[in-house]
Amino acid sequence: GAVVSQHPSRVICKSGTSVKIECRSLDFQATTMFWYRQFPKQSLMLMATSNEGSKATYEQGVEKDKFLINHASLTLSTLTVTSAHPEDSSFYICSARSAGELQETQYFGPGTRLLVL
Amino acid sequence: QKEVEQNSGPLSVPEGAIASLNCTYSDRVSQSFFWYRQYSGKSPELIMSIYSNGDKEDGRFTAQLNKASQYVSLLIRDSQPSDSATYLCAVMDSNYQLIWGAGTKLIIKP
Repeated sequence: GAVVSQHPSRVICKSGTSVKIECRSLDFQATTMFWYRQFPKQSLMLMATSNEGSKATYEQGVEKDKFLINHASLTLSTLTVTSAHPEDSSFYICSARSAGELQETQYFGPGTRLLVL
Repeated sequence: QKEVEQNSGPLSVPEGAIASLNCTYSDRVSQSFFWYRQYSGKSPELIMSIYSNGDKEDGRFTAQLNKASQYVSLLIRDSQPSDSATYLCAVMDSNYQLIWGAGTKLIIKP
């Protein structure tokens, strides 16, 4: 149980294009999903917290107009990197927290590796 | 500022020995504590959660929590080369957000 998927697993795009990453909880309902970014050999950095049906809460320094988050259902959240630039190249990981008895535990998706040329 | 501190390592342990990973946290009201394992290039994977003082065992893994001293540790018995990874300590705050340590890199030497 508690499986989280992400799609795509890897994406290469040209500078200036937008990239959408999907995060799905496959066998549980996730009231809250989290988006992280991790640069090579660095720790996880929380970008934003999204609750189903409401606006995401962004961490300080994360541009909400650049990283658009939509959490339209209890099993799906999307992160769109708009007008991506090479400095946005990173490992993007989502996690989901269950609405049920596993409420306190975050389960991670496999991550999406973004390379912007 | 809520903080979670871990020694970055690398911590080198011979195969078959006990690996001991430590974590301290600053927020006294924290109630939930987690250990995640992250292999290079992969996302974190939950290993253990612990909520009460004392020890919690799961196979070769034992999590230890001491709220009075504000530390949580992870012991790995009979260490295997496949245990080589970065171990992340995470502490949940009152808003259900995880405060992450920077991770300890563990190397198990055959």
